[in-house]
Amino acid sequence: SQQGEEDPQALSIQEGENATMNCSYKTSINNLQWYRQNSGRGLVHLILIRSNEREKHSGRLRVTLDTSKKSSSLLITASRAADTASYFCATDAGYGQNFVFGPGTRLSVLP
Amino acid sequence: DAMVIQNPRYQVTQFGKPVTLSCSQTLNHNVMYWYQQKSSQAPKLLFHYYDKDFNNEADTPDNFQSRRPNTSFCFLDIRSPGLGDAAMYLCATSRDLGRGRAEQFFGPGTRLTVL
Repeated sequence: SQQGEEDPQALSIQEGENATMNCSYKTSINNLQWYRQNSGRGLVHLILIRSNEREKHSGRLRVTLDTSKKSSSLLITASRAADTASYFCATDAGYGQNFVFGPGTRLSVLP
Repeated sequence: DAMVIQNPRYQVTQFGKPVTLSCSQTLNHNVMYWYQQKSSQAPKLLFHYYDKDFNNEADTPDNFQSRRPNTSFCFLDIRSPGLGDAAMYLCATSRDLGRGRAEQFFGPGTRLTVL
């Protein structure tokens, strides 16, 4: 399988705290993408980071990529109750290879 | 607004009765995907179209078929639904980055119930 694990599987924090989610994978990739999914809804793209990039920011989101360790992390700063959702990483190894989502982290932000 | 639309949002079918789910997009993206997502699990890619080129994932059951008559529309046909096919089915689109896939835009999904 191309994809490894995401951890933690579930994370519960208070509003205002930071949330960090990790993703590991097994093969070389072109890019890695993070998505959010609210319960019973479609996925929303958050950030795409290419294999030659180490860090990307978007608003309160910060994504890092370490290709030597085959891992990525998503940091959400100053979390809000509206950030409550499942967060998935997905790896793209190019056409002809699987595009695979990790098992996801369920984040609960308590008011 | 440009978007990905899935119809119906909820579909109930009987065991063994063929069902078709539809997806349309106004983004003019050349790549379209179908995913199956079961409760509390990650989306699992079933197949994707790169323009009219059909790409089946190795472990997608033969019971699942797809059609893409034009750029805007894509259909998922389940020929003989079993109880294990009850799931959320997600359609997504993306541009081609030339090397690798761009970010995907997802529809709201169709929740399939099999009685």
